[in-house]
Amino acid sequence: NAGVTQTPKFQVLKTGQSMTLQCAQDMNHNSMYWYRQDPGMGLRLIYYSASEGTTDKGEVPNGYNVSRLNKREFSLRLESAAPSQTSVYFCASRLMNTEAFFGQGTRLTVV
Amino acid sequence: GENVEQHPSTLSVQEGDSAVIKCTYSDSASNYFPWYKQELGKRPQLIIDIRSNVGEKKDQRIAVTLNKTAKHFSLHITETQPEDSAVYFCAATANSGYSTLTFGKGTMLLVSP
Repeated sequence: NAGVTQTPKFQVLKTGQSMTLQCAQDMNHNSMYWYRQDPGMGLRLIYYSASEGTTDKGEVPNGYNVSRLNKREFSLRLESAAPSQTSVYFCASRLMNTEAFFGQGTRLTVV
Repeated sequence: GENVEQHPSTLSVQEGDSAVIKCTYSDSASNYFPWYKQELGKRPQLIIDIRSNVGEKKDQRIAVTLNKTAKHFSLHITETQPEDSAVYFCAATANSGYSTLTFGKGTMLLVSP
C-alpha cells in the first residue's frame, strides 16, 4: 500500500517549457487535489476532482490544466511554464469528509 | 467558498510550555476540521481532527477544541518538545461530494530546548 505517489520529486524548467506532474493513489479515494505551497501562503488549491470524470478549478488555476485519467490517477500540466509557477506542488486524495493523504511533493523551479 | 484564517504565523515557546494555534472559518456548512503537521522538506500529515458534533478531542499531548457558534477551532499542544517544531496547518471542509479542503496559511512552531 503505497498511498499517494507523486512524480517527479524535483524539476527545473525553462520559461515556456511544458511538463506534466503525475499523481496516483491506491486507497480507492474518490477525491483528488493539486495544491501549491509557497512561503507564507499555505497550501493553495489549484484544481480538484471530486470523483472520476469531474474536475473543478480551485483558488489559483491560471496556467494549469488537469486530467483525471481514472480513479487512481490525477495529473497536473503546465503548458507554458512561468517563473511565478516556481513552487512546491502537492497532490492529495481522500474520501469525502475524511483525512487527506498527501504525496511527497514536487519541487519545481522555472528559470 | 470557504475561507480559513490562522494565527499566529509564528510561535516560539520553551520546551515544556504549552502552545495554542487558532483558526476561524467562514462557511457554516463546514463540519470537518483536520490539523496537519509539516516537518521541513516533508509532506503534511494529519495529527488530529474534529467533527462538528464534538466540542473537544484529545490525543495524548495534543487537543483540538471547536466552537461552532463562533466558527473557530484551536489546537493545543502541552508539554512541548523540540520535535514538535514544525509548520502546523488547520483546514476546514463541508460534507459534500464537491467540497474542497481549505487550509489556513500555517503556523511555524519553534520549540527551544
